[in-house]
Amino acid sequence: QSALTQPASVSGSPGQSITISCTGTSSDVGGYNYVSWYQQHPGKAPKLMIYDVSKRPSGVSNRFSGSKSGNTASLTISGLQAEDEADYYCCSYAGSSTYVFGTGTKVTVL
Amino acid sequence: QVQLQESGPGLVKPSETLSLTCAVSGYSISSGYYWGWIRQPPGKGLEWIGSIYHSGSTYYNPSLKSRVTISVDTSKNQFSLKLSSVTAADTAVYYCARSGGDCTGGSCRFDYWGQGTLVTVSS
Repeated sequence: QSALTQPASVSGSPGQSITISCTGTSSDVGGYNYVSWYQQHPGKAPKLMIYDVSKRPSGVSNRFSGSKSGNTASLTISGLQAEDEADYYCCSYAGSSTYVFGTGTKVTVL
Repeated sequence: QVQLQESGPGLVKPSETLSLTCAVSGYSISSGYYWGWIRQPPGKGLEWIGSIYHSGSTYYNPSLKSRVTISVDTSKNQFSLKLSSVTAADTAVYYCARSGGDCTGGSCRFDYWGQGTLVTVSS
C-alpha cells in the first residue's frame, strides 16, 4: 500500500480556480468510487471537504468539488479565497477495509 | 456536538509500547459509527492507522498490522490505540476521529477529529 501521489504545491490568485490531482492505481483510486479530501490548516486537525469522490458534507462551501477519471481523482476549488490556503490530502479505499492517504498538496493563494 | 480528545504519554522509549486513549463526548459510541486513528509525522503527510466499529470489529493498515491494537470501551465511551515496538519513525501527531460512513464498505470518511497529540519516541 503506497501513498497516493499528489503535486507538492499548487497556487492561484484570488477568484481563480485550481485543481489538485490525486493519482493511485486500479487497486485503490481506480477500483472504487470512494475518494475523500481533507483540508488542513497549520497546527489544526484535518477537515473533511469531499467524500465518495464528489459528495460535500453539510456546511462545506460549494466552491469545492470532486471528480475522478481512471486512477486519478481531482479536487477543484473555484473562486479561490485567502482562507483556502492550506494543505489538502486525498484518501482512497484500498480494499479489504483499508485506506491510503495521498502525499499532500500545499495550496498557496497568491 | 461530537467532541474527541486524545490523551496519553507524550514521550515513549524505543522498543516500548505507545498507548493512547480517545475520549468521546456528545455521542455514545455504543450507538454506532466507526472510529479511527490517523497519524502525521512532523512536517509530513497523514497515515491511516486503523478503524474500529462500536461492536469491536477492527481494521488495520497492513504496514502496521503486526504492531497495532485498537480497542473500544463503551462503558467509558472511549477507544484506544496501542502500538508496540516503537521506533523514532513512529514519532508523530496522533489523531482520533469518527467516521460518518461505513469503513468496511469503502466509505470511511472522518468528519469529527480530536485536536491531536504529539508522541515522541526517544530514549
